[in-house]
Amino acid sequence: AQSVAQPEDQVNVAEGNPLTVKCTYSVSGNPYLFWYVQYPNRGLQFLLKYITGDNLVKGSYGFEAEFNKSQTSFHLKKPSALVSDSALYFCAVREGITGGGNKLTFGTGTQLKVEL
Amino acid sequence: GAVVSQHPSWVICKSGTSVKIECRSLDFQATTMFWYRQFPKQSLMLMATSNEGSKATYEQGVEKDKFLINHASLTLSTLTVTSAHPEDSSFYICSAPKAGSNSPLHFGNGTRLTVT
Repeated sequence: AQSVAQPEDQVNVAEGNPLTVKCTYSVSGNPYLFWYVQYPNRGLQFLLKYITGDNLVKGSYGFEAEFNKSQTSFHLKKPSALVSDSALYFCAVREGITGGGNKLTFGTGTQLKVEL
Repeated sequence: GAVVSQHPSWVICKSGTSVKIECRSLDFQATTMFWYRQFPKQSLMLMATSNEGSKATYEQGVEKDKFLINHASLTLSTLTVTSAHPEDSSFYICSAPKAGSNSPLHFGNGTRLTVT
């Protein structure tokens, strides 16, 4: 079975400072990893994904994430946070096997709050 | 722009009535769509996988007769909450992969259901 852990319910950061939202995963095969962002009363928006290739993945709105196989982590990062980045962030994983479909397992979410 | 449209965005209904939520893929065909339920400040719980032309696949613990899913065409899936009760009040979100098994899921904006 696949699983995702987001150890922090909330992350607070000052605008202009770098931010990190943590995610660790567990799958039996190769992981396909995703980050999504959710604004209040809205669906999820795709930020970035790791399938294969470079461990550092760049995504939308200046976000990036680093895949670390040895630590089974896929932390989301941004060099300089904006107040508008304040939202709920979800990490998700799916096992990358043929016929695995697109069934994603989501973490519990991390509320990011960026303050002036 | 949005690639998955979900309607309605919010609905209030009386206990005992049924509510239908529609999920449409706007510029692509989706043989599979996913229905999630999200409780306040919690992660997304996958309810079922909607399959075009065949029966939906429900997750463990989800009542098939209560949450009826119909994938009538390659661009439309519907979720009907039958005989709704206040405990069914929640945020329901649909999603679909746009293309290929490695593509991210695209989410609708969700439906806030309130049962009085």
